[in-house]
Amino acid sequence: QVQLQESGPGLVKPSETLSLICTVSGDSITNYYWSWIRQPPGKGLEWIGYVYSSGGSKYNPSLKSRVTMSVDTSKSQFSLKLSSVTAADSAVYYCARSRYCTSATCSHMDVWGKGTTVTVSS
Amino acid sequence: DIQLTQFPSSLSASVGDTVTITCRASQSISTYFNWYRQKPGKAPELLIYAASSLQTGVPSRFDGSGSGTDFTLTISNLQPEDFATYYCQQSYSTPVTFGGGTKVEI
Repeated sequence: QVQLQESGPGLVKPSETLSLICTVSGDSITNYYWSWIRQPPGKGLEWIGYVYSSGGSKYNPSLKSRVTMSVDTSKSQFSLKLSSVTAADSAVYYCARSRYCTSATCSHMDVWGKGTTVTVSS
Repeated sequence: DIQLTQFPSSLSASVGDTVTITCRASQSISTYFNWYRQKPGKAPELLIYAASSLQTGVPSRFDGSGSGTDFTLTISNLQPEDFATYYCQQSYSTPVTFGGGTKVEI
């Protein structure tokens, strides 16, 4: 069955750029929408945004100025870049799959990665 | 943004109990609504989508209902693996938002 695996540095310095990759296995990366969600320690879930297999994307307005998402279909990977990070960006970052999204909405997320912990500290 | 208010924020129960969790949206969202379970240290997993549809592989003891602004998740015959945190989520409009979570404890 389809599996998602997040990867990237576990420690990022303040003001630098957080970069994560999610690798998709067991199914095609095409024709789905791929989201990033984060969860600060002991807190709830925050949707960061989605990217489509063709490259279209939509971001949470609260993070939009700092977020870039992209897809590499040849590697079955999609990525998240979050710039100018602070301690408030420390969280577990999850990637997840949605079957459809529009400019206005996104369906439920039926497959999730296990998550990767990112700490922002000097 | 659409706000989701979940209650209670925590509850205590025993194996075999039936529990109900409620989520209220700040505006009508039809049935663009989903429930997730998050076991400690694990990723969320989808339980219910479109307010009342059971995700493939999820036990039938999970039941979702509601439309508009008020939604409920009922878990019957609580099992040890159900002691976890439950999150509601709206998929009516972006940004997608989640409720604050309900922790089900023994």
